[in-house]
Amino acid sequence: ILNVEQSPQSLHVQEGDSTNFTCSFPSSNFYALHWYRWETAKSPEALFVMTLNGDEKKKGRISATLNTKEGYSYLYIKGSQPEDSATYLCAFITGANNLFFGTGTRLTVIP
Amino acid sequence: DGGITQSPKYLFRKEGQNVTLSCEQNLNHDAMYWYRQDPGQGLRLIYYSQIVNDFQKGDIAEGYSVSREKKESFPLTVTSAQKNPTAFYLCASSFPSGLAKNIQYFGAGTRLSVL
Repeated sequence: ILNVEQSPQSLHVQEGDSTNFTCSFPSSNFYALHWYRWETAKSPEALFVMTLNGDEKKKGRISATLNTKEGYSYLYIKGSQPEDSATYLCAFITGANNLFFGTGTRLTVIP
Repeated sequence: DGGITQSPKYLFRKEGQNVTLSCEQNLNHDAMYWYRQDPGQGLRLIYYSQIVNDFQKGDIAEGYSVSREKKESFPLTVTSAQKNPTAFYLCASSFPSGLAKNIQYFGAGTRLSVL
């Protein structure tokens, strides 16, 4: 089992603030990284697929960057809104096609 | 609507009892997965199946069993051998898992508790 760490574990921000959090993974044997958003009482939904040759990903106010050499990915949220409140999960996929989830970052946006 | 349906939403198990969690998908996905989530931990893979009539153990398969008789269905049985079954269980599916872009689609989960 590989160690995929997310930090911080939880985060409270004011509406309108920008924020970011980190997914750290082993720098070797990288194949892909997925980011998922998991709202309370709903199913996790995919946000981004990050691949070795991929550029920064962006979806509205949310973007993600990837550094495979040093083994981390950042997720940025610009101008946080209450509807952004969720747990954000990253999943590291190895060359052997094994998938390992991080523990998640729980974001709460305070109106 | 296409999606993954897990049932029941809540399940209670008595000591020594086997219970089965249902997972059905109508997304025409080949691959299906079962994960377990415990407080403060990430999702851990119990079993996965790449194709009908085939399945593989994940990281924490002990005390669990699965079947994949139909493409749409991947039920998980929590057996009496699983001594700590209280957890949140998520089912997921995807197109063949050999492609990095094949994201997983998740059900809403089943919360299992021991009476």
